[in-house]
Amino acid sequence: DADVTQTPRNRITKTGKRIMLECSQTKGHDRMYWYRQDPGLGLRLIYYSFDVKDINKGEISDGYSVSRQAQAKFSLSLESAIPNQTALYFCATSDSRLAGTYSYEQYFGPGTRLTVT
Amino acid sequence: AQKVTQAQTEISVVEKEDVTLDCVYETRDTTYYLFWYKQPPSGELVFLIRRNSFDEQNEISGRYSWNFQKSTSSFNFTITASQVVDSAVYFCALRGVPRDSWGKLQFGAGTQVVVTP
Repeated sequence: DADVTQTPRNRITKTGKRIMLECSQTKGHDRMYWYRQDPGLGLRLIYYSFDVKDINKGEISDGYSVSRQAQAKFSLSLESAIPNQTALYFCATSDSRLAGTYSYEQYFGPGTRLTVT
Repeated sequence: AQKVTQAQTEISVVEKEDVTLDCVYETRDTTYYLFWYKQPPSGELVFLIRRNSFDEQNEISGRYSWNFQKSTSSFNFTITASQVVDSAVYFCALRGVPRDSWGKLQFGAGTQVVVTP
């Protein structure tokens, strides 16, 4: 089984709808992240969470909200989806408790392809 | 501020040719980590390599090699004897280690590699 899973893998929704993307991990990591990928822009950070009670905005958080329901679960919501939120969304995890170099590794889920029409 | 530049948007080669992907970075942090990720057509992000700022030793792993040069702030990636399976988008990423704050992972825009038979 994959260590970081995302559901759904693909979603088509209409403008104005609320949608939630979910991320679960079995790696036991404390930190979780949401990124979006747009062609030609690489991955950009939406939100990140260092633990259940520590949630922070990334560089493009407008129009998004998150919930860290448990250490292993981190959900991303689009309250009122708009077409320019059409993108590939990635969840990632990392473990701050690892020593040295490996504490900076981020492990990515398979991605959710979201289309807003 | 951190910045990662991948000036090559797309590189097309014929199978068995070598291909080099350029990555230039900017950071004020004295300690930082550089990464390369591969994104095949299936969409997932595959971690390839991590280097830290104190280790400029170049590395070879099978058909992959990396050339890290602090003097030019570059971390280039070469695929030797390319194969069709190497067709993917390749991302360079940088993570600084600032003294008093969390260093986020900054991605370049990616380079699409197309290998034709």
